[in-house]
Amino acid sequence: GNSVTQMEGPVTLSEEAFLTINCTYTATGYPSLFWYVQYPGEGLQLLLKATKADDKGSNKGFEATYRKETTSFHLEKGSVQVSDSAVYFCALKWPGSNDYKLSFGAGTTVTVRA
Amino acid sequence: DGGITQSPKYLFRKEGQNVTLSCEQNLNHDAMYWYRQDPGQGLRLIYYSQIVNDFQKGDIAEGYSVSREKKESFPLTVTSAQKNPTAFYLCASSDSLRSYNEQFFGPGTRLTVL
Repeated sequence: GNSVTQMEGPVTLSEEAFLTINCTYTATGYPSLFWYVQYPGEGLQLLLKATKADDKGSNKGFEATYRKETTSFHLEKGSVQVSDSAVYFCALKWPGSNDYKLSFGAGTTVTVRA
Repeated sequence: DGGITQSPKYLFRKEGQNVTLSCEQNLNHDAMYWYRQDPGQGLRLIYYSQIVNDFQKGDIAEGYSVSREKKESFPLTVTSAQKNPTAFYLCASSDSLRSYNEQFFGPGTRLTVL
């Protein structure tokens, strides 16, 4: 079935370090892919998205490229800040479905130390 | 400002009581969703609604009920049949006319059963 697998955390980094969070999916067809971020005690916010193969989503210094050949959508940021400390969720919209459900990964907790 | 509001932010319930969580949106979105989030886990879909007066069960609907009498409102009732209701509950909405179906989330309600 359709599913999303993302890198287990927690991840702890120093400021200005490079961050990568891996996300792979299994789905028939071509899903739309998303990264959401959840800051402590809050709901989720859309960070970036990609709707077709080779699309690159970017926002707030974060980037992710939709790789059909490896069924991946890894999140990267070149220089993290303390304010990037949050839980990051990879998600996909099931391709070919008539409803609007999203399938979420388990989330990766990132802590950035000053 | 457009957005999604959830109330209350914190809710305490005694065992055996039903409790209703509020979710309101002024984004004119057709689709609304309820998720449950447990520590260290991803989001699990409880119920969703694609249009007024219609809703479908998600992956973990047992012990929950919803209604969708108005486009802007999608309240969730946690019944006494829900065996482990303590969790963080997130409401979301999306515009059915947008193909990538970005979901917008509320700030969440943290329910604790005493």
